[in-house]
Amino acid sequence: DTGVSQNPRHKITKRGQNVTFRCDPISEHNRLYWYRQTLGQGPEFLTYFQNEAQLEKSRLLSDRFSAERPKGSFSTLEIQRTEQGDSAMYLCASSLGGGANDEQFFGPGTRLTVL
Amino acid sequence: AQKITQTQPGMFVQEKEAVTLDCTYDTSDPSYGLFWYKQPSSGEMIFLIYQGSYDQQNATEGRYSLNFQKARKSANLVISASQLGDSAMYFCAMREGNAGRRALTFGSGTRLQVQP
Repeated sequence: DTGVSQNPRHKITKRGQNVTFRCDPISEHNRLYWYRQTLGQGPEFLTYFQNEAQLEKSRLLSDRFSAERPKGSFSTLEIQRTEQGDSAMYLCASSLGGGANDEQFFGPGTRLTVL
Repeated sequence: AQKITQTQPGMFVQEKEAVTLDCTYDTSDPSYGLFWYKQPSSGEMIFLIYQGSYDQQNATEGRYSLNFQKARKSANLVISASQLGDSAMYFCAMREGNAGRRALTFGSGTRLQVQP
């Protein structure tokens, strides 16, 4: 399978615990994005990497959230001291880069439930 | 103000008929791109079609076409000959700016149900 993959697909945690999600982009894609989607809403942008550089961050990305993309390949998104409001689907996308029609390919998402 | 507005929370269409899903957008940037994505119940976002702000013609991809009315700031998705497999959530999204920003801003979506 050559699409975007995300692990785990589901995560249940207790409030206050830390969680980490992983995203593996399509291999030749140098851009990687994280979005969050709550029930009944469209995805909301969190952050974006070009290669290993984090170039854009949303104000939604509080100081409890941190994302990395070492070596410009896979990426991790960590949430510290989780809160019930963090419960959502976390989507990763990647793109090849290029012009304005740079299509983002999405992974299946990680569904987080904070109890 | 909402940057992407999808006013139809849900739509029904009979199999083999055409359906239009509405999307209006708000931006002061002269350069922008508009995208439509489909999200089946499995959760994965599937790219359907793209329209650039400077494109002279409406985009088409198979059974999907985009009715782009720049002056009205609307980018409606038209699905022709609906199929049962078209039942899903549909999201309109915008990227503003030419090369700087990469983030997509999504609307709240329209749930389409295709009836046999």
